[in-house]
Amino acid sequence: DGGITQSPKYLFRKEGQNVTLSCEQNLNHDAMYWYRQDPGQGLRLIYYSQIVNDFQKGDIAEGYSVSREKKESFPLTVTSAQKNPTAFYLCASSTPGQGKETQYFGPGTRLLVL
Amino acid sequence: QKEVEQNSGPLSVPEGAIASLNCTYSDRGSQSFFWYRQYSGKSPELIMFIYSNGDKEDGRFTAQLNKASQYVSLLIRDSQPSDSATYLCCSNFGNEKLTFGTGTRLTIIP
Repeated sequence: DGGITQSPKYLFRKEGQNVTLSCEQNLNHDAMYWYRQDPGQGLRLIYYSQIVNDFQKGDIAEGYSVSREKKESFPLTVTSAQKNPTAFYLCASSTPGQGKETQYFGPGTRLLVL
Repeated sequence: QKEVEQNSGPLSVPEGAIASLNCTYSDRGSQSFFWYRQYSGKSPELIMFIYSNGDKEDGRFTAQLNKASQYVSLLIRDSQPSDSATYLCCSNFGNEKLTFGTGTRLTIIP
């Protein structure tokens, strides 16, 4: 049963704490993405990775970090430098397609600040 | 700045009628366009994609692309209450990243 999994579903962060969001896919997709969604807003790209051991900053990378050590996994760390982390975080992966890549999303992680 | 714009709505449509959702984009270099449906509190799910000018139909959904006018639309025929959701339009602007609009909230009135 192929798909994208994200954990946890809900995550609570204390002041000054780093937290890591998990994203795993078994679709054999090369590219993976992290987005942030705030209430009533569209999706904003945080980081993306097209191959293992390589990733690029998106539009709002400050205060976040990622790694891509395995094709299946693309964890996102929300660091203490991210001052407004409360949001819905979505991971996606895409098929290759030379400009026709289609992205599929995981179920999301909702991050809340205590 | 490459942008995708949508009317945020809310758009209310009677059950059984046609819902029309519109999207404009800023870059003529855009190659691919996607419509995602997002229920409240859930992640987006792909509804349609379109690459070529004209219409593309899939069941009750029709995507329309007009590259000369830089707009893409989604028509939902025979609207059902289960179609009530936020619809996100996005484009890849010719690269591997997607740029999303802010979404249009659609409500189907029984």
